Parts: sequence; C-alpha cells; structure tokens
Amino acid sequence: AQSVTQLGSHVSVSEGALVLLRCNYSSSVPPYLFWYVQYPNQGLQLLLKYTTGATLVKGINGFEAEFKKSETSFHLTKPSAHMSDAAEYFCAARHSNYQLIWGAGTKLIIKP
Amino acid sequence: GAVVSQHPSRVICKSGTSVKIECRSLDFQATTMFWYRQFPKQSLMLMATSNEGSKATYEQGVEKDKFLINHASLTLSTLTVTSAHPEDSSFYICSAPKTGGTEAFFGQGTRLTVV
Repeated sequence: AQSVTQLGSHVSVSEGALVLLRCNYSSSVPPYLFWYVQYPNQGLQLLLKYTTGATLVKGINGFEAEFKKSETSFHLTKPSAHMSDAAEYFCAARHSNYQLIWGAGTKLIIKP
Repeated sequence: GAVVSQHPSRVICKSGTSVKIECRSLDFQATTMFWYRQFPKQSLMLMATSNEGSKATYEQGVEKDKFLINHASLTLSTLTVTSAHPEDSSFYICSAPKTGGTEAFFGQGTRLTVV
C-alpha cells in the first residue's frame, strides 16, 4: 500500500536556524508530492508541490523541497526559521484520482 | 489559486441534532470533493469522496447514514452529521481539485462541538 512517512511528530529549532522536515513516500511510481501548512483551527495552505520537471521546488514563505527519487524523499527546508513558521506541516502524495495520501504531520516549534 | 469556501467555521450543537456543513468552490467547478475529519494532533482522515450527480464513495468504517453527503451542483457539496453525539466532535475539512490541475484546494475547516 502507498504511504507517506514524516519522521518526527515534533521538530524544535531556534529562531534563525535551519528548518528540516522529513518526508518519505513509498510508491513504485513517483507521485505528485505536496507540503501543506496548517495553523491552529484553520484549513490547509499549500506551501509547495512537485509534479514533474525540476526536482528542487521553491514555495511560499521561503520554504523549498527537493524531490529525490533514489531516496523516495521530499524533505522540506527553510534556511532561517521565523517565529511565524510555528505550525503543523503535512506532507502528502497524490496519484491519478486526486486522492491524497497524508503523512502524520510534524509540529514545528520555534524557540526564541 | 482557486478558492474553496467552507461554512460554518465553528458550530456547537446539542446531542441528537443534525448539523450541515457546506463546501463551495467559488471560482471553479468541482465534480469531485473530498471530506476529511481531523482529530486533535492527528493527520487528516479521508471520510468520503463526493461526486456531483451521483452517490458519494465512503471510506471503510465511515457510516453512510451518519454522515450524509450531497453534491447537488458543480460548486457545492454538503456534509450533514445526523443525530450528532459528543464523539462526532472534530475538525472537518473539505477539499476540491480543479479538473486538469495538479492540486486540491482546501476549505477553512469546520470545528464541530457536540454538547
């Protein structure tokens, strides 16, 4: 069965430090991959997506992610964390029927 | 990007009553919409796929008679939680893909509290 794994339910970094949120997918066929951010009691906002083409994808708020087929990974990074980045982040994979397979989510905590 | 509007954002209802949640695609037509439930500190759980003009497809373990889904037009899907109980309290989110596009767009979510 297809799955998406996010390593670490909580990640804590200091303000100004590198943010790295890990995501691995299991699929014989590379899916479309997404990172979403969710603030408390709100819906989900798309940060970035990989469909085809360039494997390094830039998104909003300074985030980027690199699709690595050999590692079946799509890790999310940001060079310098900001307090406003504190939120829940979800990695998801989509196949042909528009259904998304979700990771469990990673709560990003920013320390002042 | 496309806009999906979900209403209400918050609702409190008494146990035994029914609650209707609306999901509208404002600037595109959505033949398919997805309804998710999210428990505290957990990921999204797909409840059902709503198909315009036909019956919804429910995921295993989701009660069809409990969670009624209607997709009467290309821009509106509704989820009705019937005879709500406290255990139905949760965050419900809808999403709609744009035909031919690569991503689905999400509503703002509905926080349902059953007292």
